[in-house]
Amino acid sequence: DAEITQSPRHKITETGRQVTLACHQTWNHNNMFWYRQDLGHGLRLIHYSYGVQDTNKGEVSDGYSVSRSNTEDLPLTLESAASSQTSVYFCASSESLGENTEAFFGQGTRLTVV
Amino acid sequence: QKEVEQNSGPLSVPEGAIASLNCTYSDRVSQSFFWYRQYSGKSPELIMSIYSNGDKEDGRFTAQLNKASQYVSLLIRDSQPSDSATYLCAVNGAKTDKLIFGTGTRLQVFP
Repeated sequence: DAEITQSPRHKITETGRQVTLACHQTWNHNNMFWYRQDLGHGLRLIHYSYGVQDTNKGEVSDGYSVSRSNTEDLPLTLESAASSQTSVYFCASSESLGENTEAFFGQGTRLTVV
Repeated sequence: QKEVEQNSGPLSVPEGAIASLNCTYSDRVSQSFFWYRQYSGKSPELIMSIYSNGDKEDGRFTAQLNKASQYVSLLIRDSQPSDSATYLCAVNGAKTDKLIFGTGTRLQVFP
């Protein structure tokens, strides 16, 4: 069955370190998204990609970067981790078929920056 | 004004009752609307999508869309304790595939 997987599921890192969260999907979807979820803020869009070599900033992109070298993967990099980036991170993917853009989520990565 | 707004709740309903969850959005050209259910500590799970005005039914769930009022709702009939979760409304626009989420409404169904 097609799926979307994130790794690691849990990560503790120190302030100032570079961290990369992996996201891999086997749906062959064009669109991939990274969100963070914090209490009181819901899901906020960090970066998204509509296809290979395409990346776009979301509403909370500062301090994060992504790259899309193939259809299956969209890794999220925190260039210099800060305590404000402690959060739960979700990756999602969707197929662009006109109005049919239902997105499916990975299991999430809980990141703690100490 | 937030792009997608929901009452955070909690909304408490007795088992067997109808739960009504509401969502408003600000982008008038939005075309696709989704409801996700999220259990505590889990990832969001898509339960309903709706693209045109009116009602769409799937089992115990009914999504309602009113584009003129920029309003979308989710009705859960015969609510069960297992429906207790946070329900997220999501919207995307006419020329974008990115989903914007509301903050979610926490639903509690008590026996």
